[in-house]
Amino acid sequence: KQEVTQIPAALSVPEGENLVLNCSFTDSAIYNLQWFRQDPGKGLTSLLLIQSSQREQTSGRLNASLDKSSGRSTLYIAASQPGDSATYLCAAVGYGQNFVFGPGTRLSVLP
Amino acid sequence: EAGVAQSPRYKIIEKRQSVAFWCNPISGHATLYWYQQILGQGPKLLIQFQNNGVVDDSQLPKDRFSAERLKGVDSTLKIQPAKLEDSAVYLCASSLSYNSPLHFGNGTRLTVT
Repeated sequence: KQEVTQIPAALSVPEGENLVLNCSFTDSAIYNLQWFRQDPGKGLTSLLLIQSSQREQTSGRLNASLDKSSGRSTLYIAASQPGDSATYLCAAVGYGQNFVFGPGTRLSVLP
Repeated sequence: EAGVAQSPRYKIIEKRQSVAFWCNPISGHATLYWYQQILGQGPKLLIQFQNNGVVDDSQLPKDRFSAERLKGVDSTLKIQPAKLEDSAVYLCASSLSYNSPLHFGNGTRLTVT
Protein backbone atom coordinates (compact mmCIF):
# COMPACT_ATOMS: atom_id res chain seq x y z
CA LYS A 1 0.00 0.00 0.00
CA GLN A 2 1.40 3.39 -1.07
CA GLU A 3 2.27 5.82 1.74
CA VAL A 4 3.32 9.43 1.16
CA THR A 5 5.03 11.64 3.70
CA GLN A 6 6.14 15.27 3.54
CA ILE A 7 8.70 17.20 5.54
CA PRO A 8 8.78 19.70 7.01
CA ALA A 9 5.18 19.92 8.23
CA ALA A 10 5.47 23.70 8.40
CA LEU A 11 8.00 26.26 7.22
CA SER A 12 8.35 29.99 7.73
CA VAL A 13 10.82 31.98 5.64
CA PRO A 14 11.51 35.66 4.88
CA GLU A 15 10.57 36.97 1.45
CA GLY A 16 13.15 36.38 -1.26
CA GLU A 17 14.53 33.11 0.08
CA ASN A 18 14.86 29.98 -2.02
CA LEU A 19 13.32 26.93 -0.38
CA VAL A 20 12.89 23.19 -0.81
CA LEU A 21 9.91 21.04 0.14
CA ASN A 22 10.31 17.28 0.39
CA CYS A 23 7.98 14.41 -0.52
CA SER A 24 8.67 10.70 0.04
CA PHE A 25 6.70 7.69 -1.21
CA THR A 26 7.07 4.00 -0.41
CA ASP A 27 6.06 2.32 -3.69
CA SER A 28 8.12 3.30 -6.73
CA ALA A 29 5.56 1.81 -9.17
CA ILE A 30 3.99 5.13 -10.07
CA TYR A 31 2.77 6.72 -13.30
CA ASN A 32 3.63 10.22 -12.19
CA LEU A 33 3.94 12.51 -9.20
CA GLN A 34 1.98 15.72 -8.87
CA TRP A 35 2.44 18.78 -6.71
CA PHE A 36 -0.53 20.87 -5.58
CA ARG A 37 -1.13 24.10 -3.73
CA GLN A 38 -4.04 24.61 -1.34
CA ASP A 39 -5.13 28.03 -0.09
CA PRO A 40 -7.27 28.24 3.07
CA GLY A 41 -10.88 27.29 2.41
CA LYS A 42 -10.17 26.27 -1.16
CA GLY A 43 -9.64 23.12 -3.16
CA LEU A 44 -6.26 22.01 -4.47
CA THR A 45 -4.65 23.62 -7.51
CA SER A 46 -2.32 21.57 -9.69
CA LEU A 47 1.20 23.04 -9.93
CA LEU A 48 3.43 20.48 -11.62
CA LEU A 49 3.16 16.95 -12.97
CA ILE A 50 6.32 14.85 -13.37
CA GLN A 51 6.04 11.73 -15.50
CA SER A 52 7.71 8.60 -14.11
CA SER A 53 10.20 8.73 -16.98
CA GLN A 54 11.18 12.34 -16.23
CA ARG A 55 13.68 13.68 -13.73
CA GLU A 56 12.30 17.18 -13.34
CA GLN A 57 9.68 19.69 -14.45
CA THR A 58 9.72 23.48 -14.30
CA SER A 59 7.06 26.18 -14.25
CA GLY A 60 8.14 29.74 -13.61
CA ARG A 61 9.79 29.92 -10.19
CA LEU A 62 8.86 26.33 -9.39
CA ASN A 63 11.02 23.30 -10.14
CA ALA A 64 10.08 19.75 -9.14
CA SER A 65 12.40 16.77 -9.30
CA LEU A 66 11.67 13.05 -9.10
CA ASP A 67 13.92 10.17 -8.06
CA LYS A 68 11.81 7.02 -8.32
CA SER A 69 14.56 4.69 -7.14
CA SER A 70 14.83 6.47 -3.80
CA GLY A 71 11.12 7.28 -3.57
CA ARG A 72 11.63 11.02 -3.34
CA SER A 73 10.46 14.22 -4.96
CA THR A 74 11.39 17.78 -4.13
CA LEU A 75 9.68 21.07 -4.93
CA TYR A 76 12.04 24.02 -5.23
CA ILE A 77 10.61 27.53 -4.99
CA ALA A 78 12.92 30.34 -6.07
CA ALA A 79 12.77 33.88 -4.74
CA SER A 80 9.76 33.24 -2.50
CA GLN A 81 6.99 35.85 -2.23
CA PRO A 82 4.23 36.42 0.36
CA GLY A 83 1.74 35.23 -2.27
CA ASP A 84 3.41 31.80 -2.16
CA SER A 85 2.05 31.28 1.36
CA ALA A 86 -0.19 28.19 1.23
CA THR A 87 -0.11 24.47 1.94
CA TYR A 88 1.78 22.39 -0.62
CA LEU A 89 0.82 18.76 -1.14
CA CYS A 90 2.32 16.03 -3.27
CA ALA A 91 0.48 13.01 -4.63
CA ALA A 92 1.87 9.77 -6.02
CA VAL A 93 -0.25 8.48 -8.92
CA GLY A 94 -0.30 4.70 -9.14
CA TYR A 95 -1.63 2.21 -11.66
CA GLY A 96 -5.41 2.46 -11.68
CA GLN A 97 -5.18 6.26 -11.55
CA ASN A 98 -5.29 6.32 -7.76
CA PHE A 99 -3.81 9.42 -6.18
CA VAL A 100 -2.26 9.03 -2.72
CA PHE A 101 -1.64 12.37 -1.04
CA GLY A 102 0.87 13.43 1.57
CA PRO A 103 -0.24 15.52 4.57
CA GLY A 104 1.23 18.72 3.13
CA THR A 105 3.76 21.38 4.10
CA ARG A 106 2.32 24.66 5.38
CA LEU A 107 4.44 27.50 4.03
CA SER A 108 4.47 31.06 5.34
CA VAL A 109 6.52 33.68 3.48
CA LEU A 110 6.99 36.77 5.62
CA PRO A 111 7.24 40.23 3.99
CA GLU B 1 -12.68 25.87 -19.47
CA ALA B 2 -15.13 25.75 -16.57
CA GLY B 3 -13.76 24.15 -13.41
CA VAL B 4 -15.17 21.44 -11.17
CA ALA B 5 -18.39 22.66 -9.57
CA GLN B 6 -19.50 21.57 -6.11
CA SER B 7 -22.45 22.44 -3.91
CA PRO B 8 -23.24 23.33 -1.26
CA ARG B 9 -20.14 25.16 0.03
CA TYR B 10 -21.08 24.69 3.67
CA LYS B 11 -23.44 22.39 5.54
CA ILE B 12 -24.19 22.06 9.25
CA ILE B 13 -26.27 19.09 10.42
CA GLU B 14 -26.92 17.19 13.62
CA LYS B 15 -25.61 13.67 14.12
CA ARG B 16 -27.83 10.94 12.72
CA GLN B 17 -29.19 13.29 10.04
CA SER B 18 -28.52 12.74 6.35
CA VAL B 19 -26.73 15.01 3.86
CA ALA B 20 -25.94 14.99 0.15
CA PHE B 21 -23.22 16.69 -1.87
CA TRP B 22 -23.24 17.34 -5.60
CA CYS B 23 -20.38 17.54 -8.11
CA ASN B 24 -20.18 18.48 -11.78
CA PRO B 25 -16.75 17.63 -13.24
CA ILE B 26 -14.95 19.33 -16.11
CA SER B 27 -16.58 18.43 -19.41
CA GLY B 28 -14.99 15.37 -21.01
CA HIS B 29 -13.24 14.16 -17.86
CA ALA B 30 -13.98 10.46 -17.57
CA THR B 31 -12.51 9.95 -14.09
CA LEU B 32 -14.18 11.46 -11.03
CA TYR B 33 -13.02 11.23 -7.43
CA TRP B 34 -14.52 12.05 -4.04
CA TYR B 35 -12.06 12.80 -1.26
CA GLN B 36 -12.48 13.49 2.45
CA GLN B 37 -10.05 16.00 3.95
CA ILE B 38 -9.80 16.38 7.70
CA LEU B 39 -8.16 19.55 8.98
CA GLY B 40 -4.37 19.31 8.82
CA GLN B 41 -4.33 16.16 6.71
CA GLY B 42 -4.08 15.34 3.04
CA PRO B 43 -7.17 14.27 1.10
CA LYS B 44 -8.23 10.65 1.57
CA LEU B 45 -9.92 8.87 -1.34
CA LEU B 46 -13.49 7.78 -0.72
CA ILE B 47 -14.51 6.63 -4.20
CA GLN B 48 -13.22 6.75 -7.77
CA PHE B 49 -15.45 6.51 -10.86
CA GLN B 50 -14.42 5.82 -14.44
CA ASN B 51 -17.36 7.09 -16.52
CA ASN B 52 -20.29 5.73 -14.46
CA GLY B 53 -18.51 2.64 -13.14
CA VAL B 54 -16.82 2.37 -9.74
CA VAL B 55 -13.05 1.75 -9.92
CA ASP B 56 -12.18 1.94 -6.23
CA ASP B 57 -14.47 2.30 -3.21
CA SER B 58 -12.33 0.34 -0.76
CA GLN B 59 -12.14 3.23 1.74
CA LEU B 60 -15.81 4.23 1.53
CA PRO B 61 -17.71 3.45 4.78
CA LYS B 62 -20.47 1.67 2.94
CA ASP B 63 -22.72 1.31 5.99
CA ARG B 64 -23.32 5.07 5.91
CA PHE B 65 -21.82 6.54 2.72
CA SER B 66 -23.08 6.05 -0.81
CA ALA B 67 -22.21 7.64 -4.13
CA GLU B 68 -23.41 7.51 -7.68
CA ARG B 69 -22.43 9.05 -10.98
CA LEU B 70 -25.34 9.64 -13.28
CA LYS B 71 -24.79 9.05 -17.01
CA GLY B 72 -21.05 9.32 -16.45
CA VAL B 73 -21.23 13.06 -15.70
CA ASP B 74 -22.59 14.53 -12.42
CA SER B 75 -22.07 12.74 -9.13
CA THR B 76 -23.67 12.80 -5.69
CA LEU B 77 -22.19 11.66 -2.38
CA LYS B 78 -24.57 10.89 0.48
CA ILE B 79 -24.05 10.30 4.18
CA GLN B 80 -26.82 8.65 6.20
CA PRO B 81 -26.73 8.73 9.19
CA ALA B 82 -23.96 11.26 9.88
CA LYS B 83 -21.54 10.89 12.79
CA LEU B 84 -19.48 13.54 14.55
CA GLU B 85 -16.30 12.16 12.97
CA ASP B 86 -17.70 12.89 9.47
CA SER B 87 -16.97 16.59 10.03
CA ALA B 88 -14.52 17.38 7.24
CA VAL B 89 -14.20 18.98 3.81
CA TYR B 90 -15.51 16.81 0.98
CA LEU B 91 -13.63 17.44 -2.25
CA CYS B 92 -14.61 16.38 -5.74
CA ALA B 93 -11.95 16.10 -8.45
CA SER B 94 -11.78 15.02 -12.07
CA SER B 95 -9.10 14.18 -14.59
CA LEU B 96 -8.87 13.49 -18.31
CA SER B 97 -6.49 10.55 -17.97
CA TYR B 98 -3.96 9.00 -15.61
CA ASN B 99 -1.24 11.23 -17.00
CA SER B 100 -3.20 14.47 -16.71
CA PRO B 101 -3.39 16.94 -13.84
CA LEU B 102 -6.12 16.43 -11.27
CA HIS B 103 -8.63 19.30 -11.04
CA PHE B 104 -10.44 19.99 -7.78
CA GLY B 105 -13.60 21.82 -6.84
CA ASN B 106 -13.65 24.16 -3.84
CA GLY B 107 -15.18 21.51 -1.62
CA THR B 108 -18.07 21.28 0.82
CA ARG B 109 -17.27 21.94 4.48
CA LEU B 110 -19.46 19.65 6.61
CA THR B 111 -19.94 20.22 10.32
CA VAL B 112 -21.77 17.54 12.30
CA THR B 113 -22.97 18.67 15.75
